[in-house]
Parts: sequence; structure tokens; C-alpha cells
Amino acid sequence: DAGVIQSPRHEVTEMGQEVTLRCKPISGHDYLFWYRQTMMRGLELLIYFNNNVPIDDSGMPEDRFSAKMPNASFSTLKIQPSEPRDSAVYFCASTAGAGGWTEAFFGQGTRLTVV
Amino acid sequence: DAKTTQPTSMDCAEGRAANLPCNHSTISGNEYVYWYRQIHSQGPQYIIHGLKNNETNEMASLIITEDRKSSTLILPHATLRDTAVYYCIVTVYNQGGKLIFGQGTELSVKP
Repeated sequence: DAGVIQSPRHEVTEMGQEVTLRCKPISGHDYLFWYRQTMMRGLELLIYFNNNVPIDDSGMPEDRFSAKMPNASFSTLKIQPSEPRDSAVYFCASTAGAGGWTEAFFGQGTRLTVV
Repeated sequence: DAKTTQPTSMDCAEGRAANLPCNHSTISGNEYVYWYRQIHSQGPQYIIHGLKNNETNEMASLIITEDRKSSTLILPHATLRDTAVYYCIVTVYNQGGKLIFGQGTELSVKP
């Protein structure tokens, strides 16, 4: 397996524009997590899914952020409208949670810059 | 999830053992101790985890005190490539891998 795949790797957008980040988890994994990393706040859990269903979105900062998982192999994190303070590295991770898990596998991240 | 406390930074000489401490005095009986590391700009990487017994794998050893209120991650022969931020995380086993990251310890391995 190629691991967790995120796209794009880098995104530069103007304030007010819609941004969509994408994630393909490892095949067979049933949990998917979205994290955000900034210098000020470190790594923050935004939302996670189990079997494509959102379980906890308490980390989503504002209504401008939304996440979906239409099927087991794809998830999106959307920011609309984007603001400069959304600039961060966004990571997606997946685990094989059912029956117990040992490790979370992270993607390489998407570096978002909002100007 | 229980809170963890780690030193902000540590140095280690190449080839020597790196011992990274973590305090988790409020850990519950069903919570595990997990260690991850993040090498510059990459996604975090799993290292090791344990409940109450000491654990060892090809990357590191994990020593958990008998009262489970603290633990130490040991990298037996640190290399320059081990320079990274190391995160100690306490979490229950059945939340599918939900991780709440603290600030971690920035380990610098020096030649």
C-alpha cells in the first residue's frame, strides 16, 4: 500500500476563496482523522470518522470548516471562505481501529497558505 | 484523555542512548501510553506503545513505572536521523487511534 495519500501537497490561495483538501486512507482502515499543525497551537485534532461516519467534530474551529467522507477510500476537508489564519499544515491519518489498533498512519500533509 | 508533561528540548550525542521522560500522573487504568515522533515537516510516525509492562521493538524501548504515572522512551543508539520532536500521548485503546498531541520534546542528536 502507498500509505495515506494527501493532495495537494501545497496550496496557496487568496483570502475568501474556497479550499478543498483531499485524503485517501490506507485500504481497509476504518478510522480517518484530520489534524492541523501551526507553530502557535501545535498539532490539533479537527475531526475523525469511523466507517465513513463523523464521530467527533469538536475540534473543527468554525462553521467555515467542513469535512466529508463519502466512501471508505476518500475524504475531504473544505474551508469556505478561507482566511489568512487558516494557514497551516493539514494532516490526514488512518487506523485499522476495529479489533484494536497499534498505530496511526499519517500522510505527508498539505501546506496551506492563505494570502 | 490524560494530560502529559514532557521537557521542551533535549540534546543527545550520536551513538549514545537517548532517554526521553514523560509524566502522566492522571492516567486511567484503561489508558495506554503511546509515543510518536515527527521529523521536520513530515507526518508523525508511530514508535511504540504500552499499558503497564515494558516494551521493546526495533526502534525503541518503553519503560513504564509501576504506578504508571510516568514513562521513559529509550532510543538505544541515537543517530542524527533521530533528531525530531517526540510526543508522549495517553489514550484509551478503543477510540480507533484518536491522538491528542501536546508540545512534545524536541530531541537534537549531535555528532
